[in-house]
Amino acid sequence: DAGVIQSPRHEVTEMGQEVTLRCKPISGHNSLFWYRQTMMRGLELLIYFNNNVPIDDSGMPEDRFSAKMPNASFSTLKIQPSEPRDSAVYFCASSQQGARSYGYTFGSGTRLTVV
Amino acid sequence: AQKITQTQPGMFVQEKEAVTLDCTYDTSDQSYGLFWYKQPSSGEMIFLIYQGSYDEQNATEGRYSLNFQKARKSANLVISASQLGDSAMYFCAMRYYGQNFVFGPGTRLSVLP
Repeated sequence: DAGVIQSPRHEVTEMGQEVTLRCKPISGHNSLFWYRQTMMRGLELLIYFNNNVPIDDSGMPEDRFSAKMPNASFSTLKIQPSEPRDSAVYFCASSQQGARSYGYTFGSGTRLTVV
Repeated sequence: AQKITQTQPGMFVQEKEAVTLDCTYDTSDQSYGLFWYKQPSSGEMIFLIYQGSYDEQNATEGRYSLNFQKARKSANLVISASQLGDSAMYFCAMRYYGQNFVFGPGTRLSVLP
C-alpha cells in the first residue's frame, strides 16, 4: 500500500495565480479530508468527502477555495486566485467512514508559498 | 462542542528517560476514539496509538502507551526510553462515530542528548 499520495510536495506561486493540489487516497478508504496547517491556527479541517460526496465544507475559508472528488481515487483542492495568506501546509488524509476506531492516514502534505 | 486541550506547548526530556504528554478532552458522548499523532520536522503526520472509549486496558504500541482515565477525560501519551528521533510535535485527537477528527494544538517535544 503506497499510502495517501499528495502532489506537489512544494509549490511556490505568485499572488493571483491559480493553484491546484492533488491527492490520491488509500484504496478502499471512503472518506477523504483536506486540512490546512499554519503556526497560528494549527490544523484546520477545510472539507471532507464521504463516498466522493462533499459532506462538510464549512471550513473552506472563502469562495477562492474549491475542492472536488470526481472518483474514489482522486481529489483536488484549488485556490483561485491565491493570496499570500494562503501560504500553509495542506494535508490530505483518508479513512474508513464512520467507525470511531478508524484513524486517518495522512499524506506527506503540500507546502504552499504564495509570494 | 468537542474540544481537545494540550496544556504543554513545549517539553524537554533527557534521552533514555520517560516523558508524559498531557491531553484532556471535553465531550458528552460515550463512544469515541482517542489518537496520538507525531509530526517530525519533515512535516508528515504519523499515527502512533489508538484508545477506544470502551477499552478497559490502556493501549500500548512499543515504547508508546496511553494513560487513559475516562472519568477525568484524559488521554496522556507516555513515551518510555526517549530517543533523539522522538523530537517532534505530538497531536492528540478524538473521533466520534461518523464524525471527523478534532485535534489538539500540539506539544513540541525536544529530546536532549
